[in-house]
Amino acid sequence: EAQVTQNPRYLITVTGKKLTVTCSQNMNHEYMSWYRQDPGLGLRQIYYSMNVEVTDKGDVPEGYKVSRKEKRNFPLILESPSPNQTSLYFCASSLLGLQGSPFEAFFGQGTRLTVV
Amino acid sequence: AQTVTQSQPEMSVQEAETVTLSCTYDTSESNYYLFWYKQPPSRQMILVIRQEAYKQQNATENRFSVNFQKAAKSFSLKISDSQLGDTAMYFCAFLPAHRDDKIIFGKGTRLHILP
Repeated sequence: EAQVTQNPRYLITVTGKKLTVTCSQNMNHEYMSWYRQDPGLGLRQIYYSMNVEVTDKGDVPEGYKVSRKEKRNFPLILESPSPNQTSLYFCASSLLGLQGSPFEAFFGQGTRLTVV
Repeated sequence: AQTVTQSQPEMSVQEAETVTLSCTYDTSESNYYLFWYKQPPSRQMILVIRQEAYKQQNATENRFSVNFQKAAKSFSLKISDSQLGDTAMYFCAFLPAHRDDKIIFGKGTRLHILP
């Protein structure tokens, strides 16, 4: 079954304690991205990756890191989490369309992160 | 800058009625994609329907259809014969059709289908 898998689904952590949210897709998609969802703000892109070893900042990259060492995995790293990073996070993957743009995103089930 | 606006934060309709969710966007691009995503209480994001800007024909997917007005930069979603399972947050999204660009989401419309 084609899917994007995020782990963990729920995480409560303390300020400053490094954490990683994993994301894995089994569709051989080139494009992967991370979003955070906050009430009233909708979805905002954090980072995206067009392929292995190619990553770029989205709209709200501060406080986050990513890596893309393998095509299927795109972990999101919070080196020193702060309470303003409490949010719902989504990972997504897409094929690249004919013009090289991401096309039809498949989303993971979300990770609810609380930083206290 | 490209923007996506969903002007209806919340809507409620009776089961079996037809409901239309509005979405407008601002861009100078001529070629792009538009999407509607559904986020039910389970929180998972589900692609509902997709429209390519170069196609004049409105996309349809079972009970879901769009009214794409390119000149007006409008992309509304119509849900016919609404069902209780359609209760969800709906996001409109815009994606320019060239490399290295970001998908842009509206803030969402929360839709309640009432029994």
